[in-house]
Amino acid sequence: EIVLTQSPGTLSLSPGERATLSCRASQSVSSSYLAWYQQKPGQAPRLLIYGASSRATGIPDRFSGSGSGTDFTLTISRLEPEDFAVYYCQQYGSSPPLGDTFGQGTKLEIK
Amino acid sequence: QVQLVQSGAEVKKPGASVKVSCKASGYTFTSYAMHWVRQAPGQRLEWMGWINAGNGNTKYSQKFQGRVTITRDTSASTAYMELSSLRSEDTAVYYCARGPLLWFGELIMSYFDYWGQGTLVTVSS
Repeated sequence: EIVLTQSPGTLSLSPGERATLSCRASQSVSSSYLAWYQQKPGQAPRLLIYGASSRATGIPDRFSGSGSGTDFTLTISRLEPEDFAVYYCQQYGSSPPLGDTFGQGTKLEIK
Repeated sequence: QVQLVQSGAEVKKPGASVKVSCKASGYTFTSYAMHWVRQAPGQRLEWMGWINAGNGNTKYSQKFQGRVTITRDTSASTAYMELSSLRSEDTAVYYCARGPLLWFGELIMSYFDYWGQGTLVTVSS
């Protein structure tokens, strides 16, 4: 079973700064089947990145994803006020999913 | 534009069942899978199962096997999730989420590109 661990749990930054969020899998994620989501309070998650590095439709280019195997990163190049939210990673590509589907989340808060 | 509109909040007693609907519009319903994901208060997202809206085949998380049933009505472009034998720990927001049909010999788990607005299910005596 795959265990997904996100770090840090909380990240405190200021608008304009660069944010780096990590997602580590206990086993290799096949074919870089990893996605990232943003969730704001009271809202449904929104897909940001799929296939580890492909931006979803309408997602600004300040969001980028990288990584392979067991280590993945979501980078927000210059934080905008609307980027402060909780971010989740998701592994996919198996049937049925093996272990955790989602990480536990990273809360990005305003410093 | 793609929209997934879910049914309203529910309050149920322990041991009861709940059925949540998810009406899709703006795309060809049968060309995608529909997944159900839940989120208990303050907890991570938790995948429950999916239905291939084209052929009706389903796959469920082992955690919910035997308690969850996902169905669809293609004429209404609507998917349904029914959860039985409810307990207090099932209090959560339940989301439907669209996923592309990914194949690797068989249908495999995908990412979720559009989500419903969520349905709060409260289980309380």
